[in-house]
Amino acid sequence: GAGVSQSPSNKVTEKGKDVELRCDPISGHTALYWYRQSLGQGLEFLIYFQGNSAPDKSGLPSDRFSAERTGGSVSTLTIQRTQQEDSAVYLCASSPALLGYGYTFGSGTRLTVV
Amino acid sequence: QQPVQSPQAVILREGEDAVINCSSSKALYSVHWYRQKHGEAPVFLMILLKGGEQKGHEKISASFNEKKQQSSLYLTASQLSYSGTYFCGTEEGTSYGKLTFGQGTILTVHP
Repeated sequence: GAGVSQSPSNKVTEKGKDVELRCDPISGHTALYWYRQSLGQGLEFLIYFQGNSAPDKSGLPSDRFSAERTGGSVSTLTIQRTQQEDSAVYLCASSPALLGYGYTFGSGTRLTVV
Repeated sequence: QQPVQSPQAVILREGEDAVINCSSSKALYSVHWYRQKHGEAPVFLMILLKGGEQKGHEKISASFNEKKQQSSLYLTASQLSYSGTYFCGTEEGTSYGKLTFGQGTILTVHP
């Protein structure tokens, strides 16, 4: 596609429910990244993929968070048993390769846990 | 480890210049710069690589001092469209693929 596409754009969920956030990167981009941005805050690294592989999962806040990428394209970030502190904008980005390129960010998914 | 940006906020008149600094305590492979406007996604400005040249185009340029692990973003003859929050992102030589962002610098340009 022309840009990085994320869905849904907004998600309101009840505490304790599971949610899935989807990211469709730019076609041909092998590297994909997930970040989280709380209100008025900076960008917090969650995880990156090189192809379908996620070498560094150290940024995931807890074991309630998981992510996968299939076919070297679409990625899904899953949050189980959501908590209010999970409320944030979840941003996905992609780049042509892992090194030496800037990131193109999607518009994000605004997650609100009530 | 999160890089430190300074200043936290800058207020300018159109046409004035600004410098935003980014400092890390770690050996870096690359430094990225992004601009984010309110309610929008961050937009890539430029990347500086270890051993690379200073980058820039038109009135926005940046430098990377590898020895000091510092980068600076230079905004010349600022325009209203330059307003936003500027983030630097640093990639350590031991953690390729993991870009750690600073806390951001809020730039406001007034007519």
